[in-house]
Order: sequence, then structure tokens, then C-alpha cells
Amino acid sequence: EPEVTQTPSHQVTQMGQEVILRCVPISNHLYFYWYRQILGQKVEFLVSFYNNEISEKSEIFDDQFSVERPDGSNFTLKIRSTKLEDSAMYFCASSSQDTQYFGPGTRLTVL
Amino acid sequence: GQQLNQSPQSMFIQEGEDVSMNCTSSSIFNTWLWYKQDPGEGPVLLIALYKAGELTSNGRLTAQFGITRKDSFLNISASIPSDVGIYFCAGETNFGNEKLTFGTGTRLTIIP
Repeated sequence: EPEVTQTPSHQVTQMGQEVILRCVPISNHLYFYWYRQILGQKVEFLVSFYNNEISEKSEIFDDQFSVERPDGSNFTLKIRSTKLEDSAMYFCASSSQDTQYFGPGTRLTVL
Repeated sequence: GQQLNQSPQSMFIQEGEDVSMNCTSSSIFNTWLWYKQDPGEGPVLLIALYKAGELTSNGRLTAQFGITRKDSFLNISASIPSDVGIYFCAGETNFGNEKLTFGTGTRLTIIP
């Protein structure tokens, strides 16, 4: 069964550094999303992406965040200058009709 | 913003027992979804509900989309050890391909 994949599974970085989290959505899906989950809390929407542009973003998704689909398969989330409070699980999701399928997540730890 | 409140926050049950949890919102959602999350993994979709009043089953799981479109419940019958995890409801304001608003989660623990 097709699935969303994410790399790396765990990323440790120093505060102020840039990180890029990578996702490979399910191949025939057209809608892509990033969510985050701070430890012990609920999953929160960050951004949705369709037709090579952002379709919606949350208040969390400020100027430090950007997304890109650099080729036909990858979907990336970049955090330009990480802060301690960016430490969380980051989940990529994709959909074609109604249902969003989630990847296994990248655990980002900012020191 | 929109908030989804789940109850109970946690449950401790014996294997074989039935489980019931619910999700309420102050605003209307037109799609309700139930996801399960195992430790260190992403949410996995269990059941999707698209119509007010709809009752849908998936094996031992049954979920209903409330008539008011402001609530949903999930039942698990005859629980087994692999049911352990965190269950999240999620709502979507329109129909498909937009952001999900997640609930606060219900942690299910099975006592041996």
C-alpha cells in the first residue's frame, strides 16, 4: 500500500540553524500538508500546498517557515532560523480526494 | 480559532471491554475523522464521516457524525492489546483537501 515517507526520522540542531525536513507524498496525490505536534499535545496544522503554491497557512507558519516542491516527488519544510520552541514532531500529509494520509514524522530537537 | 474537545482525556480498561469516547466542538464541521496514533508514529486514519447523522463501522470500530455537526463519537468493541494508543478526532470545515483541526486526544491503556 502506498505511504507517505519522511526523512530524517530525527533531526537535532542548534538554535538559529536552518533545517529542511523532507517528505515524499503518495505519488498520485495533489494536496500536501505539514502539521506539527509538540510533545504531549495535539496535532496542529501548519500549511497546505496545492498546484505549486500555499493554499492556507496557520499563525504558526510565520516568515521563518517555507515550503517547496522542488521536483515531482519531494515536498519540503524549511525552518530558516530554528528556535527552542520549534522542537516538535513534524508530520507531512497528502491527499487526493478527501482523506489525508500522514507520514511517520520527523522529530526535531532544537538545542 | 476552532477547538475540538475530546473526552475522556484518558481511559484505563480491561482487555475485552468496550470503549466509548467523544469529541465536541463549538463550531460546525462538515467532515469528521478519527485517527489513532501509536508512540513515535504518525496518525493513522480509522474512520471518516461525511454526512450528519452517519453511522459508520470499520471492524470493531463504530463512529457517528452528530446531527448538529458539532460532535462525533467513537466506540471500540471487545478491546484487544493493540488498541492501546492515542485516539484523535479531527474536523474539516468544508469537504476535502483542506486543513484538519485535531482534538485534544484520548489515551487508551489496557490493563492486563
